[in-house]
Order: sequence, then C-alpha cells, then structure tokens
Amino acid sequence: DAKTTQPNSMESNEEEPVHLPCNHSTISGTDYIHWYRQLPSQGPEYVIHGLTSNVNNRMASLAIAEDRKSSTLILHRATLRDAAVYYCILRGDTGFQKLVFGTGTRLLVSP
Amino acid sequence: DVKVTQSSRYLVKRTGEKVFLECVQDMDHENMFWYRQDPGLGLRLIYFSYDVKMKEKGDIPEGYSVSREKKERFSLILESASTNQTSMYLCASSHGWAGANTDTQYFGPGTRLTVL
Repeated sequence: DAKTTQPNSMESNEEEPVHLPCNHSTISGTDYIHWYRQLPSQGPEYVIHGLTSNVNNRMASLAIAEDRKSSTLILHRATLRDAAVYYCILRGDTGFQKLVFGTGTRLLVSP
Repeated sequence: DVKVTQSSRYLVKRTGEKVFLECVQDMDHENMFWYRQDPGLGLRLIYFSYDVKMKEKGDIPEGYSVSREKKERFSLILESASTNQTSMYLCASSHGWAGANTDTQYFGPGTRLTVL
C-alpha cells in the first residue's frame, strides 16, 4: 500500500469545523482512501472511505483532490468526543487485507 | 451496529505462562485479525483468518498461535508469555466479501496485556 503523510497534531475549538489533511502523492488508480480514528484507550474506529468523489456520512465528510494526491477529512462541528488520533490509510486491491496505520494526526479539541 | 468484543480489557500474567485472548464478533464476518499496538510502532498484524479453521501469518507471528473453530470467535494464544509481549492487543473483523480496497475493519476495545 502506498504511503501517506499527515501532520503530527492539530488543535480545534469545540463546535468549529476541522479539516484534517492527508498527502498521498504515490496513490495508484485502484487505491481507496480510508480514514480511521482512535479515541484514548479504545480500538480504532472506521470513519469514512472514498475513491474519487467526495463522500459524506454521519460522522464526517471526505474531500478528495481532483488528482487524488491529497485528501481532507472534514468534521463539521468538532466536539470534545472527537479528540482522537486520525489515520489516513490507502488500500489497494491485492495482497493482505491488513490495515497499515501510520503515525496519524492527534486532534486536540478545546472547550 | 457491528460489535467486536474481547475477553478482558486488562490482563497481568507471569513470564512463561500460557495466555489466551478471546475475540468474538456478532456480524457473521468472514475475516478476523489480531494486531498488537506499541508506542512508536503503530499497529502490527500478528495473524489473520479468512474462514473457520483457516489462518495466515501476519508480520510478527513469532511467539503466537491462533485458533478459529467457530466463525464468530478468534483466539490468540501466547504459548509462553515473555516480557516483550507486553502490549495492547486489538482484534478486528471485516466482511471479506468485497475487495481488499473497500473492506472495512471493525475493532474491539483492546486488551492491555502486561507480562511480568
């Protein structure tokens, strides 16, 4: 699976939107972009995934650049419960089905 | 909602003991996984199972074995626990019907194992 680059940490205030960036310049045509998050003392949790078009679900939105070399996870109104480490992961269509987590972005949310 | 449960949140064992970590999922998923998570090393795959009685080694299988006798249950066994196996152990499951690039994994809460 291709590599991703994320900032180590970001800060936000409660009820403000948060944009978490991810660079993946070596993405291949069949790679999907997945986001997971891990709250303190819990297992990782799936957030969203997409291929080319922007995606929305009840947790977040995923904006994918036209050249697919970067993407942004958008939390529309951050809450204290959104404080977590967010991982951007590329998944190809061959090989092991393991998830390869990088170091992710630690999101701090202030009241 | 998918639920993946693990038998213990915290476990303390002594060096040389045989340790069993149990994982159960309730969504009829084909695939089940065992990872360990250590600071600075991220998640590393220990073993993976894509069907009952089937297993594949992951990146770090040494010192571990697994058992999948029923579809919903995947056990991780530390044959003789050592201090370097002190870690957070995470179980996950996924449908396995779609390709790897769209398969979503659902994780349990983790078991923090300390080996003294």
